[in-house]
Amino acid sequence: DGGITQSPKYLFRKEGQNVTLSCEQNLNHDAMYWYRQDPGQGLRLIYYSQIVNDFQKGDIAEGYSVSREKKESFPLTVTSAQKNPTAFYLCASSIASRGDYEQYFGPGTRLTVT
Amino acid sequence: GQSLEQPSEVTAVEGAIVQINCTYQTSGFYGLSWYQQHDGGAPTFLSYNGLDGLEETGRFSSFLSRSDSYGYLLLQELQMKDSASYFCAVRDGGSQGNLIFGKGTKLSVKP
Repeated sequence: DGGITQSPKYLFRKEGQNVTLSCEQNLNHDAMYWYRQDPGQGLRLIYYSQIVNDFQKGDIAEGYSVSREKKESFPLTVTSAQKNPTAFYLCASSIASRGDYEQYFGPGTRLTVT
Repeated sequence: GQSLEQPSEVTAVEGAIVQINCTYQTSGFYGLSWYQQHDGGAPTFLSYNGLDGLEETGRFSSFLSRSDSYGYLLLQELQMKDSASYFCAVRDGGSQGNLIFGKGTKLSVKP
């Protein structure tokens, strides 16, 4: 079955450590996105990528980095520069022809930094 | 600034009809999407309105009025499984790929 996978589901890290969240899709979608969700809040865009080897900052990119070396993969690194990294992180993808209004989401990674 | 406003919570009984409103103020507007998210789960796409009017998909309908910067999601014949958070989202067109989400409406369906 096609879909988006994120791993791990839960992640715990000590403050000051960088951590990389995995996102893989086999939907053959061109565009991929990373969002952050805090309790009782909507989704906020961190980074997005429309094609391989290209990505754009979203509204809250500070303290995060991404790469898009393969169409299927869009890993997110939460660096020690991110002041409040504890959150639920969601990866999504979309078909270029449908625009980004219809996005398919992975199950998410819940990151806790202490 | 850019903002989307929707009620934080709505409660309804099984079998009833509920409407979740969304008003938006964005620099540009290319359409309004709706997503459903169960607790701890991933958002799933429900509907999209690019033009004014009503879009119907089974028990769910979505409406858009661009002149009023307003839309709503209508859920009919409510079922317990409809208990979830519902988010409206606008693509403002300011930059490709920038979907702006509201804070969500938590719907509780009671028996």
